[in-house]
Amino acid sequence: KAGVTQTPRYLIKTRGQQVTLSCSPISGHRSVSWYQQTPGQGLQFLFEYFSETQRNKGNFPGRFSGRQFSNSRSEMNVSTLELGDSALYLCASSLGAGSYQPQHFGDGTRLSIL
Amino acid sequence: AQSVTQPDIHITVSEGASLELRCNYSYGATPYLFWYVQSPGQGLQLLLKYFSGDTLVQGIKGFEAEFKRSQSSFNLRKPSVHWSDAAEYFCAVGARDTDKLIFGTGTRLQVFP
Repeated sequence: KAGVTQTPRYLIKTRGQQVTLSCSPISGHRSVSWYQQTPGQGLQFLFEYFSETQRNKGNFPGRFSGRQFSNSRSEMNVSTLELGDSALYLCASSLGAGSYQPQHFGDGTRLSIL
Repeated sequence: AQSVTQPDIHITVSEGASLELRCNYSYGATPYLFWYVQSPGQGLQLLLKYFSGDTLVQGIKGFEAEFKRSQSSFNLRKPSVHWSDAAEYFCAVGARDTDKLIFGTGTRLQVFP
């Protein structure tokens, strides 16, 4: 069974631009969560989607948004990029929703802002 | 709201030595507890989880963890470390009421031959 696939693996953008990251969950998984990982802040929860609906949201500004499609694939968008948005963005999928569900992570998209 | 603390940022052990990584949490009830491992350049992989029942849980790669309610701890252990265990280890706590999963800041494990 294929794992969680995140594309692209690496991205370089400049301040003020916007970016879209993609995540394909494990087949049959209906929940997708996004995390931002930085050396200083660790793993921070961005949001969780289940059945195309946002179930939970972390403490990030509105520049960070996401969506989920009917095939459970998810995208995350960051607008008006700032230097501090440089990070590894991880997507995780699980069979269902809920904090008891084990998460299956992709290898992440490393975003660098110049 | 729940919180999780991993007091050790960096741990170094010799290959073959035993290992214990500490995890303490703050939550009003028994949370869902997880340990994940992250190798360089990769995502996180689930090692083990605890929901209820037997407080000693076994995971993959020879790891185990013990839930101690009185100490609000969920420490990860391995009797004999292999060089391939060098990675970063994250403890995570899931709240039963808010449904949010919070990760600790991680412990980086270095293994010397």
